[in-house]
Amino acid sequence: AQSVTQLDSQVPVFEEAPVELRCNYSSSVSVYLFWYVQYPNQGLQLLLKYLSGSTLVESINGFEAEFNKSQTSFHLRKPSVHISDTAEYFCAVTNNNAGNMLTFGGGTRLMVKP
Amino acid sequence: NAGVTQTPKFQVLKTGQSMTLQCAQDMNHNSMYWYRQDPGMGLRLIYYSASEGTTDKGEVPNGYNVSRLNKREFSLRLESAAPSQTSVYFCASGSQNTEAFFGQGTRLTVV
Repeated sequence: AQSVTQLDSQVPVFEEAPVELRCNYSSSVSVYLFWYVQYPNQGLQLLLKYLSGSTLVESINGFEAEFNKSQTSFHLRKPSVHISDTAEYFCAVTNNNAGNMLTFGGGTRLMVKP
Repeated sequence: NAGVTQTPKFQVLKTGQSMTLQCAQDMNHNSMYWYRQDPGMGLRLIYYSASEGTTDKGEVPNGYNVSRLNKREFSLRLESAAPSQTSVYFCASGSQNTEAFFGQGTRLTVV
């Protein structure tokens, strides 16, 4: 079985400040990890993913996440946030035995204030 | 390129009514999924279909049925809606070792 814990349900932050959204997972086998973003009243969009190779993965809009196997974490970071980053962020995990079935964390609402 | 299309976008049902949520994908993916999203609980898997002709239960299947009509289409049916099924429903599709692609969601209210 696999599970995901997002430690913060809400993260308020001022514009241009750095942010970290935490994600820890549990799995008995090798994992694939994802961060999805959901803007209000929309579906989920892939932000970035770790499948293999470099443990540091980046998105096109300045977010990055690092796969840490020893700490079973996949925290999402951005050095300087914008108002437009306000959204809900979901961490998800899957593995080869689970096909493509994603197990999601409870989500973190990022609120960027001017 | 439409991706994953869900219909309807909104629906209000009375307790005991039935309805079918439709989902279609045009990305030639083998796998399709139905999730429900509730506040603070993330997305939970209701049913999935690993390939055409197969379906399996996910984490929260009670009260739902599914049909994988063909490779493109995967429908979710509520036979007798209950207030506990008030939620946002998402259909997704994907292939092995890639990300899942999501539809825009169906917001269902059962009164």
